[in-house]
Amino acid sequence: NAGVMQNPRHLVRRRGQEARLRCSPMKGHSHVYWYRQLPEEGLKFMVYLQKENIIDESGMPKERFSAEFPKEGPSILRIQQVVRGDSAAYFCASSPGLEIYNEQFFGPGTRLTVL
Amino acid sequence: GNSVTQMEGPVTLSEEAFLTINCTYTATGYPSLFWYVQYPGEGLQLLLKATKADDKGSNKGFEATYRKETTSFHLEKGSVQVSDSAVYFCALSSSGGSYIPTFGRGTSLIVHP
Repeated sequence: NAGVMQNPRHLVRRRGQEARLRCSPMKGHSHVYWYRQLPEEGLKFMVYLQKENIIDESGMPKERFSAEFPKEGPSILRIQQVVRGDSAAYFCASSPGLEIYNEQFFGPGTRLTVL
Repeated sequence: GNSVTQMEGPVTLSEEAFLTINCTYTATGYPSLFWYVQYPGEGLQLLLKATKADDKGSNKGFEATYRKETTSFHLEKGSVQVSDSAVYFCALSSSGGSYIPTFGRGTSLIVHP
């Protein structure tokens, strides 16, 4: 049973370009979460999605950032017109349901570097 | 709202030393509590969890007890190894927080031979 997959593992972009990060949840999981981790900082929640729905995007910047989880295919976190401050590790996690005792299963992360 | 407070790191120990990483929380509702570990260059993975008061979660020699009276979930290990060097995150999930987990800032553990 494959775990959570993220690609690419490393992404380099120049300022002003677009970054597209992909996440395939574990088989049977329909809940996806995106987090950002900056050096020496904790994990910051960005967005929570279920298939075809954004449930909570309270942690995502209002501009330049968007996320989707289509009926078919991976979840996508999209950052338009990247700036140096977007450089971070972005982690995706999935869970089988919304119960509070469910653990989250994390992917290996995408490390974004903006030049 | 929900919050998790962990002791700041890094925590530096010699091999076979006793480890404690403190974690306290505030939560609306009745939370489930988790410890995750992150090895260098990897994502987080669940280390242990507890879902009700006085439960003890344990895994790989690590233990943590859900203390409702002190709102704490301290992580302990009797004898650490070099391979335990990682960042440890305390987290909670509760119905009062819209079920989205709240993570602490993480505590870096460095174990020397």
